[in-house]
Amino acid sequence: QQQVKQSPQSLIVQKGGISIINCAYENTAFDYFPWYQQFPGKGPALLIAIRPDVSEKKEGRFTISFNKSAKQFSLHIMDSQPGDSATYFCAATPYSNSGYALNFGKGTSLLVTP
Amino acid sequence: GAVVSQHPSWVICKSGTSVKIECRSLDFQATTMFWYRQFPKQSLMLMATSNEGSKATYEQGVEKDKFLINHASLTLSTLTVTSAHPEDSSFYICSAREGKGAYEQYFGPGTRLTVT
Repeated sequence: QQQVKQSPQSLIVQKGGISIINCAYENTAFDYFPWYQQFPGKGPALLIAIRPDVSEKKEGRFTISFNKSAKQFSLHIMDSQPGDSATYFCAATPYSNSGYALNFGKGTSLLVTP
Repeated sequence: GAVVSQHPSWVICKSGTSVKIECRSLDFQATTMFWYRQFPKQSLMLMATSNEGSKATYEQGVEKDKFLINHASLTLSTLTVTSAHPEDSSFYICSAREGKGAYEQYFGPGTRLTVT
């Protein structure tokens, strides 16, 4: 059962445009929402993450928007560049001292055209 | 900081043999490590969670006798694929959580296993 639903499955954006990827969850125990970027043949790299106590977090060209009441969060990539072409995964997990694993979305393949 | 390494990066083995994959946290102590499996163009599938000094907790459907996980120290976890078969060919990725109370998980670069 997919606990985090991610859309779209694939996305094509022109250079300089805004890439938007959306995720939704049901489990209200989730309180940490990271985004990972993965290039072919590589492991996922932590891009940016948010906790539910804020509605937005920005790091450079990457912004997470979080809507707690709707149980949705999204990644915005401003001024998208061809080097951003990769697969992006959203994830969610509840807090635990012993360490819960991340629940991943199915991923979005982003292609930024020159 | 927060670097996780895996070794080897790729391995080819014959059917029936065993393969060991190492996962190391290079600059932090990882109380919890996770092992994932990823098929082409798919998401990461959690195989097991291991806490240092404890037995690993396997996800439903993952054969614990086939995928042996050892987390002997705060910086090293190993995954041994025993009696490998072609269907075990996949991309195996570990991640590590930096200490208790930390949310962030950092992933290794992955290990491509091909069983012939």
